[in-house]
Amino acid sequence: DTAVSQTPKYLVTQMGNDKSIKCEQNLGHDTMYWYKQDSKKFLKIMFSYNNKELIINETVPNRFSPKSPDKAHLNLHINSLELGDSAVYFCASSQTPGQASSTDTQYFGPGTRLTVL
Amino acid sequence: AQTVTQSQPEMSVQEAETVTLSCTYDTSESDYYLFWYKQPPSRQMILVIRQEAYKQQNATENRFSVNFQKAAKSFSLKISDSQLGDAAMYFCAYKGASGGGADGLTFGKGTHLIIQP
Repeated sequence: DTAVSQTPKYLVTQMGNDKSIKCEQNLGHDTMYWYKQDSKKFLKIMFSYNNKELIINETVPNRFSPKSPDKAHLNLHINSLELGDSAVYFCASSQTPGQASSTDTQYFGPGTRLTVL
Repeated sequence: AQTVTQSQPEMSVQEAETVTLSCTYDTSESDYYLFWYKQPPSRQMILVIRQEAYKQQNATENRFSVNFQKAAKSFSLKISDSQLGDAAMYFCAYKGASGGGADGLTFGKGTHLIIQP
């Protein structure tokens, strides 16, 4: 069983399009995240979300929006794609500290490589 | 803001030898977590080891151990008996403990580890 899964693994699209990346976790975690890994392999947090709050990294353009239909899913919607959005996007999940059996460790999905042409 | 610095963009070690990857961080928080993640060419982010700042004992996971120096804000990773499968990018990461659990990880820029057969 895959703990954190993402679809699709590869996404190639034209500038200006709108696209979504889906993320699901079956770990029973209550917090989910999106990270962006650029061409130099640098990883940066984009969003974190639990049932209480959405924390947005202030550097993320508002063309990016997370949508959580339920606790196990956090999808990433991107509007009006730009060349600079090309990157690998990782979803991750963790259990909030203070909860039973929490280790506050984040578990990552396999990543989605987005290429904008 | 917290920062994580990995000063070695690339390291090379002979198979079966020991290698140490460096990581320093800057924070004003007293309680936090530190992690090492491995990213092989498959791009999957794999947790190697974690350390809670309040614990003085250095974490160990089989051939992987850390040297955590809280006063010096240093968190190095030692890999003993290096194996070909250890070849990967290694990322040091920081997470504050006071942010309510939804804080993302702050990553260093990574160290590319090469294992020479």
